[in-house]
Amino acid sequence: AQSVTQLGSHVSVSEGALVLLRCNYSSSVPPYLFWYVQYPNQGLQLLLKYTTGATLVKGINGFEAEFKKSETSFHLTKPSAHMSDAAEYFCAVTYGSGNTGKLIFGQGTTLQVKP
Amino acid sequence: DSGVTQTPKHLITATGQRVTLRCSPRSGDLSVYWYQQSLDQGLQFLIQYYNGEERAKGNILERFSAQQFPDLHSELNLSSLELGDSALYFCASSAATGNTEAFFGQGTRLTVV
Repeated sequence: AQSVTQLGSHVSVSEGALVLLRCNYSSSVPPYLFWYVQYPNQGLQLLLKYTTGATLVKGINGFEAEFKKSETSFHLTKPSAHMSDAAEYFCAVTYGSGNTGKLIFGQGTTLQVKP
Repeated sequence: DSGVTQTPKHLITATGQRVTLRCSPRSGDLSVYWYQQSLDQGLQFLIQYYNGEERAKGNILERFSAQQFPDLHSELNLSSLELGDSALYFCASSAATGNTEAFFGQGTRLTVV
């Protein structure tokens, strides 16, 4: 079955520190991969996506992620955390023809940023 | 603002009742998706409509149904409500079914008491 695993339901970093949120997927076909962010009482906002081409993708707010097929991973990073990055982050995958609205989500990782 | 509008924002109802959640997609988007977000199940895909036709089905209960109207807005109908149906219900829309981004609304928070 297709699935997404986010390692760590809660991650805490200091302001200015590296942010690393981990995501692994299971797939027998090439995946399309996404990271979404959800602020309190808000909907989901797309941070970045990988479909084809360059495996290092850059998104909004200074985030980037690298697709590593050999590791079936798509970890999200940001060099320097900001207080405004505190939110819940979801990794998601879709398959096949790239129906990018029919997504399988991970359980989410809550990012806490300490001053 | 994603351009996807969901109403109402909050809904409180009793067990056994029926409710209708409404979604207006971004202008021009033909695909609408419904998701349920709950603490125990996380974010789960329920159903997709494309230009008025059901296109894909996920973990949607038989008590739940949806439709997309000619003006492309969509409604999710939840009936015989149970306490476990309490959740945040999201609608998303995209331009087509292919390689395009899906935009999410702010959700309807349903509380069943």
